[in-house]
Amino acid sequence: EAGVAQSPRYKIIEKRQSVAFWCNPISGHATLYWYQQILGQGPKLLIQFQNNGVVDDSQLPKDRFSAERLKGVDSTLKIQPAKLEDSAVYLCASSRGTLDQPQHFGDGTRLSIL
Amino acid sequence: GESVGLHLPTLSVQEGDNSIINCAYSNSASDYFIWYKQESGKGPQFIIDIRSNMDKRQGQRVTVLLNKTVKHLSLQIAATQPGDSAVYFCAEGAGGTSYGKLTFGQGTILTVHP
Repeated sequence: EAGVAQSPRYKIIEKRQSVAFWCNPISGHATLYWYQQILGQGPKLLIQFQNNGVVDDSQLPKDRFSAERLKGVDSTLKIQPAKLEDSAVYLCASSRGTLDQPQHFGDGTRLSIL
Repeated sequence: GESVGLHLPTLSVQEGDNSIINCAYSNSASDYFIWYKQESGKGPQFIIDIRSNMDKRQGQRVTVLLNKTVKHLSLQIAATQPGDSAVYFCAEGAGGTSYGKLTFGQGTILTVHP
């Protein structure tokens, strides 16, 4: 079974620029998550999709972050404009969507803001 | 309060020893717990999970123990190998409308010496 695919692997931008990340979940996984992982910390959930609907976006900074999951498969996460504190690894995960089905993570996009 | 920065708990063991990694969780309503292993530059990798109606679950070389009275979770790794060196995260989840939402702990750095 192919894992969660993310691109790009690395991105360097200047503050106030915009950036987008892409995620392709495991085939058949209805639930998709975006996490932010700051160096030295555990991942923090930004947004959760069930198919193409948002389940939880309570921790998404909506003034600058946006995400979509058109057609209930691939997803993109966008930051516009970026701030220095957005430097982090952005992880995408997917699961079958029930409580005891583990989330499987991609290797993330490492974002550096100059 | 939360710990931030690079001051993760660390555990150093010799190859072949047993390792025990501990985690305190915060939400008494959590009913699902999961351990992930994260190697440098990679996304978190699922190790083992446990529901709140159990107090012990075993996998291959790993055992998870759950003590709901004191809200404590531990991961035991038998015959630790150098390939086990990584950061280990516990995460807790709760049911309800946001099923599948995980809250991650701080992480523990495990170093295995040959």
